[in-house]
Order: sequence, then structure tokens, then C-alpha cells
Amino acid sequence: AQKVTQAQTEISVVEKEDVTLDCVYETRDTTYYLFWYKQPPSGELVFLIRRNSFDEQNEISGRYSWNFQKSTSSFNFTITASQVVDSAVYFCALSRWTSGSRLTFGEGTQLTVNP
Amino acid sequence: DTGVSQDPRHKITKRGQNVTFRCDPISEHNRLYWYRQTLGQGPEFLTYFQNEAQLEKSRLLSDRFSAERPKGSFSTLEIQRTEQGDSAMYLCASSQNVLRGGVYNEQFFGPGTRLTVL
Repeated sequence: AQKVTQAQTEISVVEKEDVTLDCVYETRDTTYYLFWYKQPPSGELVFLIRRNSFDEQNEISGRYSWNFQKSTSSFNFTITASQVVDSAVYFCALSRWTSGSRLTFGEGTQLTVNP
Repeated sequence: DTGVSQDPRHKITKRGQNVTFRCDPISEHNRLYWYRQTLGQGPEFLTYFQNEAQLEKSRLLSDRFSAERPKGSFSTLEIQRTEQGDSAMYLCASSQNVLRGGVYNEQFFGPGTRLTVL
């Protein structure tokens, strides 16, 4: 069975602060995919990133960066210099390697960035 | 707009009534997924189709739930004899089944249908 845990239910920061969202996962598969999605107040899930299990290189995209550590089964997400528009619920998700596999989501972290 | 669309966006119904939701995927996508999201939780997988074939169903999909994708294009999700526990956001997603050296095809989500059962 697959499981994703996002221990931080809510995080509140002041604009321009850096913030890290934690994600820990469980799977018996040796190959798999990990994802982050953003859900703004409008409700639509927005895809942010996909990583495969054999590529542990950290990735940076603008103010976003991701730290994947297979040894600790973690896939953490950092927003640098946060902005009010970053306020949303962020979900970490896991899927099997097989194309088309279902996504298993964590419970999400509500990020509030205050001006 | 070429994204995933869902209709209606909101539905309020009384307990015991039947409801049906529609999802129109991105046009070239042959995989379609249904998820359910309750308040404060992450989405949970319900079922998925490849073209018109329903390939996987979650145990969450009780016999009161039925999903169809008759022509491999749009899909409907019907809930019969609704219960208050069915109140949730029902999300549809689509993806393209093109295998390119192991490249995963992302699931793109629609805006969801929020169901409230009174």
C-alpha cells in the first residue's frame, strides 16, 4: 500500500520569508513517481512538479525548489521569498511507476502568506 | 479553453436523491480519472477509464456509485440514494496515454463539482 504524510496541517508566514513544506511517503515499490500540486482557493488542483524515484537531483524552478531524499523517503518543497499569491493548500502525491496509475495524496498543508 | 471541464460546479441535493456529474477531459486525452475530496483532506481515487473501458475502481466506490464513459470522451459519475457522507468535492482529471521512454503523463484536473447533501 502507498501512503503520503504531510505532518504540517497549517503554516503561516510573513511575505518574503522562506518556507518549507514537508512530505514523507511510504511505498513497497522500488520505482515510483512523486508530485506536488497546489490548490488555490478556487479549488482547481495545479500541477507543480513530478520526480521519478531514481533521480535524486534537487530541482529549482524560480522561487520553488524541491529536495528529494530516497534514504529518508522525503520529498520536501521550499518556497523562497514567499508572496501572498502563494497562499494555497499544497498536496504531495505518490504514484506507481506504471503509466496511468492513480495518485495517492497526502492530507495537504494550508500555507498562508501574510503581507 | 482546452482544460478539463466539469458540470455542474455546485450541486445541493436532499438525502436520498440521485445526482449525476459530468466531466469533459482535454480532447486528446484518453485516460480519465475521478477523485473525491472531503473537507480538509487530500483527494482520494475513485476510478479511472482508458478510452471507454473502466480499468480500476476503488473500494470507496460503493454500489451506489456508477461511472461511465460511453464513447471514450466525456464521463458521468452518478450517485444514487445520496447520503450526507457523500458531501464532498468530486474531481475529474485526464491524461494522455503516450509512453515515451518511461515519461509519465501528468494528470490535469478540472475545477471539481462540489456536492452538498442536506
